[in-house]
Amino acid sequence: DTEVTQTPKHLVMGMTNKKSLKCEQHMGHRAMYWYKQKAKKPPELMFVYSYEKLSINESVPSRFSPECPNSSLLNLHLHALQPEDSALYLCASSQDPRVAGGFNEQFFGPGTRLTVL
Amino acid sequence: EDQVTQSPEALRLQEGESSSLNCSYTVSGLRGLFWYRQDPGKGPEFLFTLYSAGEEKEKERLKATLTKKESFLHITAPKPEDSATYLCAASMKTSYDKVIFGPGTSLSVIP
Repeated sequence: DTEVTQTPKHLVMGMTNKKSLKCEQHMGHRAMYWYKQKAKKPPELMFVYSYEKLSINESVPSRFSPECPNSSLLNLHLHALQPEDSALYLCASSQDPRVAGGFNEQFFGPGTRLTVL
Repeated sequence: EDQVTQSPEALRLQEGESSSLNCSYTVSGLRGLFWYRQDPGKGPEFLFTLYSAGEEKEKERLKATLTKKESFLHITAPKPEDSATYLCAASMKTSYDKVIFGPGTSLSVIP
C-alpha cells in the first residue's frame, strides 16, 4: 500500500472558524510532512514530524497548529485563518533513509483544497 | 545557497514529438534527485529517484538521467495524457527531511 489519504478533499471556512485537516498513511513511514501549495507554484514546506516528534517548523504562523497523534496520523488544526491562506494543503510521508538503504522519497496525498472567506 | 531551477517554464509539444525537460541543482551534497508529476488540483505523483551521476531510470515514455549538476527528463513520443506539471526536487545530505523543489515545467501535449 503506497497511499497517503487526506480528508476533507475540499474545505470552505470563515476567518473565525476552527477546522482540522487529516492525513493518514499505512506504509510504516517514520516522517510525515505538511506542505502548502499556491496555484502554479511548487509545494512549500510547513512542518515535518519525524518519529512523531516535530522536527521542522518553517516559521509557520501560529494559526496553523500541527499534531501527530501516532505514527500513521497527522493533523493540521486551523484557527483564525486569513484569505491569503487559501491554497492546496498537501500531506506527504517518507521512510527513514538511515534504515531504508538511503531511500527517502516523499509520497504525497491528494491534498485538501482550502478556501478562506 | 541551495537551489533548484527548471527549464523551460512551459512546453507545448505535438503528440509524438519527443523532448527533454531540464532540472539544474546547486546543493551542498546531493542525497537524491526526485522527479514528480502533478496534475491540476492533485498531489504530486512520485516518478523517479536518482542517486548518482550517470544513473538512468525509465518508466513507459519517460527516462530520467542525472549528471553532477543537472537532471533531464526525456519524454519519447508523448501522448496527450502526459500533459501535467513535472517537478524535480533535491534531497541534501545535510538534512534527512527537507527537499528543495524546483518551480516545475508545465507540459502540454497537443493531439
